[in-house]
Amino acid sequence: EMQLLESGGGLVQPGGSLRLSCAASGFTFTDYAMTWVRQAPGRGLEWVSDIRSDGSSTTYADSVGGRFTISRDNSKNTLYLQMDGLRAEDTAVYYCAKATYGSGSFYTLAYDYWGQGTLVTVSS
Amino acid sequence: IQLTQSPSSLSASVGDRVTITCRASQGISSYLAWYQQKPGKAPNLLIFAASTLQSGVPSRFSGSGSGTDFTLTISSLQPEDFATYYCQQLKGYPQTFGQGTKLEIK
Repeated sequence: EMQLLESGGGLVQPGGSLRLSCAASGFTFTDYAMTWVRQAPGRGLEWVSDIRSDGSSTTYADSVGGRFTISRDNSKNTLYLQMDGLRAEDTAVYYCAKATYGSGSFYTLAYDYWGQGTLVTVSS
Repeated sequence: IQLTQSPSSLSASVGDRVTITCRASQGISSYLAWYQQKPGKAPNLLIFAASTLQSGVPSRFSGSGSGTDFTLTISSLQPEDFATYYCQQLKGYPQTFGQGTKLEIK
């Protein structure tokens, strides 16, 4: 069974840092791009960042670029999100998710498996 | 690329046919996905590539469209379908979601 398990969330002061982890199991982690999506309390979904299967390419939303860093350790089947310079507006549940592709393609068409989410609260 | 869903909320009854629309600010071919989200839960993929039903999703869900206009249709609402629905475009970066459509019981 495919499973994604996030950890690392918590309460942090403005300007602080956190590192989120997403442990993957039940699929060949090295074959798939991965993403982070967040959801502020009572709000909609916001795409944050993604990373290619081999970690060779990363992309970020403008709202987090320069502050957040996505990475992966394929030997540990784990995805990470290093969050620095945190702001109150970064308060959200953070989800990791696995890409799905069309046949014969490595273009991400959607995200088919999601973790349960981890809550990050930025407050003094 | 901005996505605008309509309506933002919708009241319907069990057995009704429901359509939700997602409009993109520029053409995205068929790089559109639909998700269902229930309170306190992660999103669940329903449709990808605008019209391909994800494995395990009931056939009462269907998607259509290409370019800038897309629809998600639920042919006969079931009690478990009352949730919030989001579209997402994956044509370009940053990937974006619609603002959501909350489907409530009438």
